[in-house]
Amino acid sequence: QVQLQESGPGLVKPSQTLSLTCTVSAGSISSDGHYWNWIRQPPGKGLEWIGYIYYSGSTSYNPSLKSRVTVSINTSKNQFSLSLSSVTAADTAVYYCAMNRWLGGLMRPIDQWGQGTLVTVSS
Amino acid sequence: DIVMTQSPDSLAVSLGERASINCKSSQSVLYSSNNKNYLAWYQQRAGQPPKLLISWASTRESGVPDRFSGSGSGTDFTLTISSLQAEDVAVYYCHQYYGLPYTFGGGSKVEIK
Repeated sequence: QVQLQESGPGLVKPSQTLSLTCTVSAGSISSDGHYWNWIRQPPGKGLEWIGYIYYSGSTSYNPSLKSRVTVSINTSKNQFSLSLSSVTAADTAVYYCAMNRWLGGLMRPIDQWGQGTLVTVSS
Repeated sequence: DIVMTQSPDSLAVSLGERASINCKSSQSVLYSSNNKNYLAWYQQRAGQPPKLLISWASTRESGVPDRFSGSGSGTDFTLTISSLQAEDVAVYYCHQYYGLPYTFGGGSKVEIK
């Protein structure tokens, strides 16, 4: 069973860039049909999908964040990363990395999650 | 974007009683070519990441107790907990994976009465 673990600064200043990394263990980030996602959850609120990346480098982003988001992948380190620019207090959230995959010819829902990391945007 | 609307926002149910949560999508999440609803339900306990309970609107994941069931098709779905247990206290989310961007309902908080 794939394990995911987020890492990165817990505090980011307004207007700066938030950067997080997700380390994948017990599995290869280059596995065919696996998609590597970022999802966030503001304190006390619901879930917002940020985007995903495939091992080939193909990405898809939420249009609401697309102008500020970059997701990248490092297959040699079995990691993928999130970069969110020009952050404001509204970007304060728990950030999760997560995985979904093709199985049996069907795209499954997200079924593996990291524990999440709280990022606070404050001066 | 497909908007997912859940109701109620919260509910309090006695132990052993039934709890039902509704989810409505702004457009159908039924894929006609395979007749599958791309609708999932998650449970999120306090301080934990979401846990996948049900996929394809009604298929329980391995290890999920059979008191959890999902139903519905097209745009209207329901998660039912047939006999509420103390460990079921959580927020429940519906999620559509039919189209991008993936979207989630606003969540329904289940508490013990």
